[in-house]
Amino acid sequence: GDSVTQMEGPVTLSEEAFLTINCTYTATGYPSLFWYVQYPGEGLQLLLKATKADDKGSNKGFEATYRKETTSFHLEKGSVQVSDSAVYFCALRNTGRRALTFGSGTRLQVQP
Amino acid sequence: ETGVTQTPRHLVMGMTNKKSLKCEQHLGHNAMYWYKQSAKKPLELMFVYNFKEQTENNSVPSRFSPECPNSSHLFLHLHTLQPEDSALYLCASSQQQGNNQPQHFGDGTRLSIL
Repeated sequence: GDSVTQMEGPVTLSEEAFLTINCTYTATGYPSLFWYVQYPGEGLQLLLKATKADDKGSNKGFEATYRKETTSFHLEKGSVQVSDSAVYFCALRNTGRRALTFGSGTRLQVQP
Repeated sequence: ETGVTQTPRHLVMGMTNKKSLKCEQHLGHNAMYWYKQSAKKPLELMFVYNFKEQTENNSVPSRFSPECPNSSHLFLHLHTLQPEDSALYLCASSQQQGNNQPQHFGDGTRLSIL
C-alpha cells in the first residue's frame, strides 16, 4: 500500500537558518503530494502541493519539488523564523482514493 | 478560518458517558473525514464519507459511531470509551473528484477520557 516516510524530529534551528525536512513516498500510479503544517492547538493547514513530476509547490517562502525518480518531496525554506515553529506533515493522495496518506510529522523548533 | 468548524474544542468525559463531536464545512465539498491524532503516533484515518455515504471504515471500534446527515455536516458519536481513546479528533473535507484536491481541516476536538 501507499506510505510516506519523514525524517524524525525535532529539528531545532536558529532564526534565519536554512531548513530541509526530508520526505519520501511509496505509491503506485501518479499520486499528488502535499505538505501540511500544524501550529500548536490548531488543526492541519495546507502549506503547498504538487500534482505531477517536476512540479514545484511554494507558499510563504517554503518550497518542495515532486521528484518521481527519487520518490521524494523534500520541504525547504531559505530562512526560517520563530513563527515557523510547528509540526510539518508530508502526505500523498493517490488516484482513485479520497483519503490522504500521512507521514508521522516532523516537529520544527526555531530559536531566536 | 479554514472553512471547517469543529465543536466542542475540548471535551472531558467518563468512560460511561455518551457524547458527540460535530463538524461543519462551509466550502461546498462533498467528501468528509474523521482522523485521530494521538501523541507520538501518525495521523490515523477513521472514516470517509462521500455524498453522505460511508466509503471507508478503517477497522474503528464500534464505540465510535459516525453520522453524516448531509454533505456539510459530520458527527462522531462516542459511548463507552477507553482511556486510550484520549486524542485530538480532526475533521476534514475535500472535493471528491481528482486526486489533486487537498483536504481542509478543522482545529480538532481535544478529547480526554477519565
